[in-house]
Amino acid sequence: DAGVTQSPTHLIKTRGQQVTLRCSPKSGHDTVSWYQQALGQGPQFIFQYYEEEERQRGNFPDRFSGHQFPNYSSELNVNALLLGDSALYLCASSFYTGLAGPTDTQYFGPGTRLTVL
Amino acid sequence: QKEVEQDPGPLSVPEGAIVSLNCTYSNSAFQYFMWYRQYSRKGPELLMYTYSSGNKEDGRFTAQVDKSSKYISLFIRDSQPSDSATYLCAMSPRAAGNKLTFGGGTRVLVKP
Repeated sequence: DAGVTQSPTHLIKTRGQQVTLRCSPKSGHDTVSWYQQALGQGPQFIFQYYEEEERQRGNFPDRFSGHQFPNYSSELNVNALLLGDSALYLCASSFYTGLAGPTDTQYFGPGTRLTVL
Repeated sequence: QKEVEQDPGPLSVPEGAIVSLNCTYSNSAFQYFMWYRQYSRKGPELLMYTYSSGNKEDGRFTAQVDKSSKYISLFIRDSQPSDSATYLCAMSPRAAGNKLTFGGGTRVLVKP
């Protein structure tokens, strides 16, 4: 059973550039959430996609945008990169049941480490 | 003030000892509580999931939630060097599949 996969593993960009990160959810999952984890900090919620729409959004600027495809995979795009965007970007997938329970919990991928110079 | 507070550690214990971790939170709407383990340069791995107040046990792990005190704990019995990792608490007001609010993580080192 394939877990959550993310690509690329590492990425180095310069300030002002744009970046696209990719995520494939765990088999059977239909919901994808993105988190940013700065070094030594806990993950912070960016946004969540379900049925190809952004359902929830955290406190991140519009430079952060995303997309979900019909096969449930997702992309995170960040424009006009800043030094402060350097972080581990985590994708988490879950299965939306409409009910609370263990099947609704989120499983994380290994992350993409973005360095902005 | 952060919504979820967690002592960053590091917490160093000898092999076989009990590891005690905790988080405090300020948002009384949180009802779903999770503990994740994260090894260096890896994604978080779900360890425990609890709803509302009470205890839950799974093998060497016990999670406790005290909503009246806004305090959650994770205990690891018979700790092993392989338990050395960062432990993150996470919470959600609605369901675990929704936006998670994390603590900053506690780094644990189990010495052989």
